[in-house]
Amino acid sequence: ETGVTQSPTHLIKTRGQQVTLRCSSQSGHNTVSWYQQALGQGPQFIFQYYREEENGRGNFPPRFSGLQFPNYSSELNVNALELDDSALYLCASSLESGGLQETQYFGPGTRLLVL
Amino acid sequence: AQSVAQPEDQVNVAEGNPLTVKCTYSVSGNPYLFWYVQYPNRGLQFLLKYITGDNLVKGSYGFEAEFNKSQTSFHLKKPSALVSDSALYFCAVRDRNTGRRALTFGSGTRLQVQP
Repeated sequence: ETGVTQSPTHLIKTRGQQVTLRCSSQSGHNTVSWYQQALGQGPQFIFQYYREEENGRGNFPPRFSGLQFPNYSSELNVNALELDDSALYLCASSLESGGLQETQYFGPGTRLLVL
Repeated sequence: AQSVAQPEDQVNVAEGNPLTVKCTYSVSGNPYLFWYVQYPNRGLQFLLKYITGDNLVKGSYGFEAEFNKSQTSFHLKKPSALVSDSALYFCAVRDRNTGRRALTFGSGTRLQVQP
């Protein structure tokens, strides 16, 4: 196990609602990245947080937003949910030092179903 | 833009036989390359990575991968497959020259090891 935890494990929402997903990073890590994995696909990068600031963003609309807290835990918020937001949401933590060679360690994910 | 291709959706191999899961990549600069494994209803588990140096990288659970710069490939290998190796395998890349924070994943290859 990586030491990265996510909550909740499963979630069912309806279209138009808002959702907050949570992630606790591995001890000693300073960076959290969020990915969306649709069924049958590889994970897609949403954004990364380093020292409480967004540090890179993928091709996702502004209704996907996030936070990182002083203890390096993180939240992913999605507003105005759409059916296509149904996916496994993965959080990964890492100790970034600027070189890009750092390994990202993944949590078990939150499976979101939008009806 | 960086991209990863995993040309095989599924690889079937008999237990005890060698296995290879293929991956090719495209980056504008020099790559950092990663392999992850995903078991059902689980997050991604890190197997190994290539940063620099020796083209043959050894990782967890007896897996290894060979970096080939001229063929832009990073194939995952194991000398003797186990039934417990059956899972979904993802190759990922980061371009060390662009500073882009995201890992870009392939679409995944399902490995089925028959007893």
